[in-house]
Amino acid sequence: DVKVTQSSRYLVKRTGEKVFLECVQDMDHENMFWYRQDPGLGLRLIYFSYDVKMKEKGDIPEGYSVSREKKERFSLILESASTNQTSMYLCASSLRTRNTGELFFGEGSRLTVL
Amino acid sequence: AQSVAQPEDQVNVAEGNPLTVKCTYSVSGNPYLFWYVQYPNRGLQFLLKYITGDNLVKGSYGFEAEFNKSQTSFHLKKPSALVSDSALYFCAVRAKGYNFNKFYFGSGTKLNVKP
Repeated sequence: DVKVTQSSRYLVKRTGEKVFLECVQDMDHENMFWYRQDPGLGLRLIYFSYDVKMKEKGDIPEGYSVSREKKERFSLILESASTNQTSMYLCASSLRTRNTGELFFGEGSRLTVL
Repeated sequence: AQSVAQPEDQVNVAEGNPLTVKCTYSVSGNPYLFWYVQYPNRGLQFLLKYITGDNLVKGSYGFEAEFNKSQTSFHLKKPSALVSDSALYFCAVRAKGYNFNKFYFGSGTKLNVKP
């Protein structure tokens, strides 16, 4: 069974802290994505990666960075957390070679910044 | 520009009644359309997709969706709703883009099924 695992389901951090959100997939997918979900706004793409060490900005990259050192792992980094980054963060993956394929999502990481 | 609209923030239906969750899209070229469901504090789960062929697509948990090219719609349907169908539903369109195929999501529709 395919799986995308987000290691932290719930986090509480203080303003200014550095935050790491980790995502691992076991499907050998080339594409990996980080989305942010807020009520009424749907899902907004923060960053994506289509290969190891490759990354592209999504629609709302400000205040975030990412790291993809291995194919199966995609990390989202908040260098200095702020209260407006309180949100649900969703990691997803997909096959690059299959244009019609769907996204596979992790369970989400709910971050609260105080 | 590519976009997806879900015109209803919330849909209320009685258990046993048919349900419809609406979705319209705007995309250049042939659309690839998807529906996802999200239960509270969980990730999104894939329900079904339209790629080509038959306009009526069947998916998981008894859901189906009808693709209508002239109306640029992809409404999610189920003949008989269950209380356990209560969740947040997202429509998405996949359009070709640089280096990868980008997904555009609607804002979501909350489905409430009452006993």
